[in-house]
Amino acid sequence: DQQVKQNSPSLSVQEGRISILNCDYTNSMFDYFLWYKKYPAEGPTFLISISSIKDKNEDGRFTVFLNKSAKHLSLHIVPSQPGDSAVYFCAASALQTSYDKVIFGPGTSLSVIP
Amino acid sequence: EAGVAQSPRYKIIEKRQSVAFWCNPISGHATLYWYQQILGQGPKLLIQFQNNGVVDDSQLPKDRFSAERLKGVDSTLKIQPAKLEDSAVYLCASRGTAAFSEQFFGPGTRLTVL
Repeated sequence: DQQVKQNSPSLSVQEGRISILNCDYTNSMFDYFLWYKKYPAEGPTFLISISSIKDKNEDGRFTVFLNKSAKHLSLHIVPSQPGDSAVYFCAASALQTSYDKVIFGPGTSLSVIP
Repeated sequence: EAGVAQSPRYKIIEKRQSVAFWCNPISGHATLYWYQQILGQGPKLLIQFQNNGVVDDSQLPKDRFSAERLKGVDSTLKIQPAKLEDSAVYLCASRGTAAFSEQFFGPGTRLTVL
């Protein structure tokens, strides 16, 4: 039972354009969401997060949008750069019920083409 | 600030052999996690420690996997005996005590079971 889904295994985007990575979740108890980026042969690194009390969080070129009614979040990267090429994991946790246990999605591999 | 250290980085063994992985978390981080990441999937939590106590080991195959965190700092994860399906990257992560703080991951150990 996959509680966090990323239905696009891969995505290719031209440099300078917008990258949109999508994530859906099934557990309505999730109240905190994170995006991690992973380069080959490295561990995932934290990118950006959003609490369920917000619908948008921005950090430089990265913006995460949360639609709680649709149980959907998305990560926007604008403008995309070749260094953004990596695997992006969406993750979710239910802080009120299972403090800091995080469920990861399967990841989306982003390729930014120069 | 030093990151999460893991060793070895790569390990190749034959099925039914034993293997052990080591993790040194970020200094002061009370929470330590071990994840298994199979190719094409997101990290799956195996075990979570709070200091030297186990918080969650519900997904740890206890017939062959064991983990310990003596003195609440370093941790070791052992597989005995290994199966072909244990081939994966084993990630260690640690987290501080602040609310909404993210997990910091080590580079992982890539295990190949032949």
